[in-house]
Amino acid sequence: EPEVTQTPSHQVTQMGQEVILRCVPISNHLYFYWYRQILGQKVEFLVSFYNNEISEKSEIFDDQFSVERPDGSNFTLKIRSTKLEDSAMYFCASSKLQGAGQPQHFGDGTRLSIL
Amino acid sequence: DQQVKQNSPSLSVQEGRISILNCDYTNSMFDYFLWYKKYPAEGPTFLISISSIKDKNEDGRFTVFLNKSAKHLSLHIVPSQPGDSAVYFCAASSTSGTYKYIFGTGTRLKVLA
Repeated sequence: EPEVTQTPSHQVTQMGQEVILRCVPISNHLYFYWYRQILGQKVEFLVSFYNNEISEKSEIFDDQFSVERPDGSNFTLKIRSTKLEDSAMYFCASSKLQGAGQPQHFGDGTRLSIL
Repeated sequence: DQQVKQNSPSLSVQEGRISILNCDYTNSMFDYFLWYKKYPAEGPTFLISISSIKDKNEDGRFTVFLNKSAKHLSLHIVPSQPGDSAVYFCAASSTSGTYKYIFGTGTRLKVLA
């Protein structure tokens, strides 16, 4: 069964550094998402992306964050000037279409640790 | 922002018995609901969903019930198996929006052999 794959599985970065989290969505999916889960908290929506544009972003997704689909297969989340509070699990998700009956499929996440 | 709530952080059930996980929501614009299962060190795995035009959806051992008037949904697992032990998240979405999912805080299910 096709999967969403994320790399790396664990990223350790010094505060203030830039980090890029990578995702390969399922190949025939058109809608892409990033979510994060701070330890002990709920999974939170960050951003949705379709047709090379951001569809919606949450309050968390400020100017520090950006997303890109640099080629036909990858979907990246860049965090500039990382802060301690950016430490979390970051999940990428994709869906074929949007709507009832079109669930988002999640990758296994990247654990980001900011020191 | 507590639009989706799972009030039971944990639940223990004997193998073979029914597991019932509950979820409440507050936003009446939500019309698509999902349950995900999550094992440690893995991402959420889609289990089952329901649209607000239905009140029940069944897939094998998993059944989701939706009570729109009470803004409540539940996931029934019958019979429960030890491999079902995981954290279960409910999620809600509005199909008139961008389909972002709002997740609950999760319920950790432990099925005892």
